[in-house]
Amino acid sequence: SQELEQSPQSLIVQEGKNLTINCTSSKTLYGLYWYKQKYGEGLIFLMMLQKGGEEKSHEKITAKLDEKKQQSSLHITASQPSHAGIYLCGADYTGANSKLTFGKGITLSVRP
Amino acid sequence: DADVTQTPRNRITKTGKRIMLECSQTKGHDRMYWYRQDPGLGLRLIYYSFDVKDINKGEISDGYSVSRQAQAKFSLSLESAIPNQTALYFCATSRANTGELFFGEGSRLTVL
Repeated sequence: SQELEQSPQSLIVQEGKNLTINCTSSKTLYGLYWYKQKYGEGLIFLMMLQKGGEEKSHEKITAKLDEKKQQSSLHITASQPSHAGIYLCGADYTGANSKLTFGKGITLSVRP
Repeated sequence: DADVTQTPRNRITKTGKRIMLECSQTKGHDRMYWYRQDPGLGLRLIYYSFDVKDINKGEISDGYSVSRQAQAKFSLSLESAIPNQTALYFCATSRANTGELFFGEGSRLTVL
């Protein structure tokens, strides 16, 4: 069974619309990392969350980690075509900030 | 120049052939990783190394081997390639005690 589930699997939004994607863990996280991938390219680090209830923002992207540290959401405000890509969450289950377990990813398309 | 460089970027080979994928980094990080990405399965860890003398198996190491030739170089070998090893392979690096990974641009391997 998959320890880390991402939803929805894919998403198509109109440019300018807000959207939220989710990452749910079957067990408590020590840390949760969000990455973005352009098709066929490497992953780019977005944000890292470690504390229950933590929220971080960068430009128009906001990520939150729930109090139980088992679910994270990533919210994009006023989406743009540049936001299109695959969003992956990575979980640190050991507390050593070492190897991450990744979800399957969410494909986001933004229509101009 | 890219901080994490993978060669080759694309490779087509036949079943039974030996293949080596190479990764070099200029970030000065001790930790290096090899992941593979498959549609619908996400990113899975093959091997990781926390320093030159440290090599660890990931969740899908069968059929693969690695060599850490220097702090900056980490190679992945397929001794006898098989079609289900067709995938996009990523090398990544990180500093100690952080899950912030820096990825190469990927090596697309096709085994016929």
